Amino acid sequence: KNQVEQSPQSLIILEGKNCTLQCNYTVSPFSNLRWYKQDTGRGPVSLTIMTFSENTKSNGRYTATLDADTKQSSLHITASQLSDSASYICVVTGQTTSGTYKYIFGTGTRLKVLA
Amino acid sequence: NAGVTQTPKFQVLKTGQSMTLQCAQDMNHNSMYWYRQDPGMGLRLIYYSASEGTTDKGEVPNGYNVSRLNKREFSLRLESAAPSQTSVYFCASRRQGQDGFPGAQETQYFGPGTRLLVL
Repeated sequence: KNQVEQSPQSLIILEGKNCTLQCNYTVSPFSNLRWYKQDTGRGPVSLTIMTFSENTKSNGRYTATLDADTKQSSLHITASQLSDSASYICVVTGQTTSGTYKYIFGTGTRLKVLA
Repeated sequence: NAGVTQTPKFQVLKTGQSMTLQCAQDMNHNSMYWYRQDPGMGLRLIYYSASEGTTDKGEVPNGYNVSRLNKREFSLRLESAAPSQTSVYFCASRRQGQDGFPGAQETQYFGPGTRLLVL
């Protein structure tokens, strides 16, 4: 069964510190992987997208890495800010047997940044 | 450009009541989606519409119906609400149709969500 697992479930860090969130997946065949940020009470917003040929992608203080061989991705947040407090969701796009595409969502990591 | 909008923001229903959740996008996207988000679970696809005039079941369609009214609007209807349908519902849209390769430019855009409580 296609799955996307994220760790940790929740994380608390102090403002200014760095952190890394993990995403492991078993989706096959794999098309691409996205990281979304979801603020409380809002819809998810895309941060980065990576295809199987990309190892690293940055978006400001957010850097995503992908190892397609081990089926692992990470999202590194540098110099965290209070506004980084949110849930971070890993989404893997897989291809169905009929040739269409489907999104498989992880359960997210809830990050809290304290002043 | 409002993106994806959803109404209502919050709704309380009694078991057995019906209601329709509305979704509209102004980005001229082809595909539209309805998801539910429950604690401890990833977003789960209820129904999707690859293009105007077509709808297909997702992962958890039971108890729901949808209508793709036109290219902009995609509604989700609960005919007889049950407590198990208490959830946060998100609508999303994407430029290409479902068969189009979801490359870097084909991200899904989500609405702000509708929080539904069924008593």
